[in-house]
Amino acid sequence: DTGVSQDPRHKITKRGQNVTFRCDPISEHNRLYWYRQTLGQGPEFLTYFQNEAQLEKSRLLSDRFSAERPKGSFSTLEIQRTEQGDSAMYLCASSPNQPKPGQNNEQFFGPGTRLTVL
Amino acid sequence: AQSVTQLDSQVPVFEEAPVELRCNYSSSVSVYLFWYVQYPNQGLQLLLKYLSGSTLVESINGFEAEFNKSQTSFHLRKPSVHISDTAEYFCAVSLRSNFGNEKLTFGTGTRLTIIP
Repeated sequence: DTGVSQDPRHKITKRGQNVTFRCDPISEHNRLYWYRQTLGQGPEFLTYFQNEAQLEKSRLLSDRFSAERPKGSFSTLEIQRTEQGDSAMYLCASSPNQPKPGQNNEQFFGPGTRLTVL
Repeated sequence: AQSVTQLDSQVPVFEEAPVELRCNYSSSVSVYLFWYVQYPNQGLQLLLKYLSGSTLVESINGFEAEFNKSQTSFHLRKPSVHISDTAEYFCAVSLRSNFGNEKLTFGTGTRLTIIP
């Protein structure tokens, strides 16, 4: 178990450019979540997947954002035409679909991708 | 919808002193409750959780939290803090569900600073 990994750890881009982030969940975990954390705030839910199916999207996820999990393993989050307001830490988490006793709702977080839009 | 309020954005505490980080939540349905910790330049780690049963839950590093349904609170306490406890602490809730996996709603966090 190597934990949840995210790539890149840091991304600096110019306004208007597209960016893509990758998340590799813990291998046996079926559920994968994306959150966004802005400075001074707690993480906010963006979307989650059950295997390859995207089951819920937050209103925060504008039409410039798209997330995929094509084979039910890793996931990508793409932001098109980035804006300065997109600057944030993007966190990925995973959890097992059938948790072991005492493990309910335990989401395991990756280190995050810090996006800076200039 | 659920919401979480952490009233204290920053809490400075002297080393070996006790600390309490406050968390209140709002929800029309039953929830699970969590405390996550974020050390500098690291991801979120689960500190402790309340799912059911005893309202007092403990972590392996000396923190404890008590679920108080009447006051809709889940305050985090430690009787004696160490320098290594310096971090940001987030309270979170999620819906209770049969599947046991639901999105988390976080508070705005409390930055705990330990003063030597």
